[in-house]
Amino acid sequence: DARVTQTPRHKVTEMGQEVTMRCQPILGHNTVFWYRQTMMQGLELLAYFRNRAPLDDSGMPKDRFSAEMPDATLATLKIQPSEPRDSAVYFCASGSLEAGFYGYTFGSGTRLTVV
Amino acid sequence: AQKITQTQPGMFVQEKEAVTLDCTYDTSDPSYGLFWYKQPSSGEMIFLIYQGSYDQQNATEGRYSLNFQKARKSANLVISASQLGDSAMYFCAMRENSNYQLIWGAGTKLIIKP
Repeated sequence: DARVTQTPRHKVTEMGQEVTMRCQPILGHNTVFWYRQTMMQGLELLAYFRNRAPLDDSGMPKDRFSAEMPDATLATLKIQPSEPRDSAVYFCASGSLEAGFYGYTFGSGTRLTVV
Repeated sequence: AQKITQTQPGMFVQEKEAVTLDCTYDTSDPSYGLFWYKQPSSGEMIFLIYQGSYDQQNATEGRYSLNFQKARKSANLVISASQLGDSAMYFCAMRENSNYQLIWGAGTKLIIKP
């Protein structure tokens, strides 16, 4: 089965440190999303890309978060500097409407803990 | 206004019984898609089923079916013959065709009792 690969699976870091999360979307998928999930807020859309172009990053705190797709096989989400309130599970998802696949496939997530 | 409403925060169901998880939605876009995802305690998000707004028939995938009532704007998930492994959070989501992103409900925590 094709899958979305996220690394790392778990990350514990100290406040103020830079955190980089990576996502390899399914080959051929041209739409990539970054979500954050917490108990309090549920699933929040941070940013998404279509054909590597950022379409919406209004859900991201711009002063500390950045999302990029340097190529079609890699999406990154960076937090600099990290804060304890950033502790959450971060999901990447990919999909392709043109391929006739209407569901977005999620990666296993990165569980981030900022202490 | 909430675009996706899941009114059942939690449900307990006896094993082997059928389960219906409620989802209502709100959109003025004539073209949209409705999704259900399962999130077990391990944390991954698993795509279950999709229904397009123009689909004439209700979607089915194995034990999952989507009871789509367009006039009532409801898209309930039906799980037949529930199993212990069905215990999880279930999320309903919508994608309006004018937008690529998914709009999510708050989820329903389903617990299957042996």
